[in-house]
Amino acid sequence: AQSVTQPDIHITVSEGASLELRCNYSYGATPYLFWYVQSPGQGLQLLLKYFSGDTLVQGIKGFEAEFKRSQSSFNLRKPSVHWSDAAEYFCAVGAQIGGTSYGKLTFGQGTILTVHP
Amino acid sequence: KAGVTQTPRYLIKTRGQQVTLSCSPISGHRSVSWYQQTPGQGLQFLFEYFSETQRNKGNFPGRFSGRQFSNSRSEMNVSTLELGDSALYLCASSAGSSTVYEQYFGPGTRLTVT
Repeated sequence: AQSVTQPDIHITVSEGASLELRCNYSYGATPYLFWYVQSPGQGLQLLLKYFSGDTLVQGIKGFEAEFKRSQSSFNLRKPSVHWSDAAEYFCAVGAQIGGTSYGKLTFGQGTILTVHP
Repeated sequence: KAGVTQTPRYLIKTRGQQVTLSCSPISGHRSVSWYQQTPGQGLQFLFEYFSETQRNKGNFPGRFSGRQFSNSRSEMNVSTLELGDSALYLCASSAGSSTVYEQYFGPGTRLTVT
């Protein structure tokens, strides 16, 4: 079964600093990977996705992520954080393994990002 | 296009009651998935419907059920509510008929069981 680990529960950065949120997945075949962001009391917004091809993917709001198969990682990065980026970030994996995987994303526990002015 | 909508947004129920939550997917999307989000367990998959058929189900008791209508709108029902059912229930819609497509989430229904 697939699993996702986000090692950092809480990260604090200063506005304007760079950001990297870590995500490690466990899955036998090529995974389908996603990053979502959730503001308090809201649903999840899709930031970016990786299905295949170029291992560096660009998303919305200036975010990017790099898929590294050798490290089973899909880390999210942003060169300069804005105060509005404060939220909780979730990494998720979907599996292309037929009937047992339809519509199912497996999420990490989330990383809360705090941005200091 | 309008996003995924969920009603109601907030709900307070008493232990032992039942509840029905509604989800309207993005126009043209035929797949609807449901998730439960709690501080302790995080985001957990409940089930997924496509063209009125349940295609996948997570590890939840039979008290949790769902259905999908011909217009792709979906409902989930929880019977005999327990305190532990208090959670944010999120639905997500997807365009794809195959197993993995990006999912777009609604704002959620916050259920409180007292």
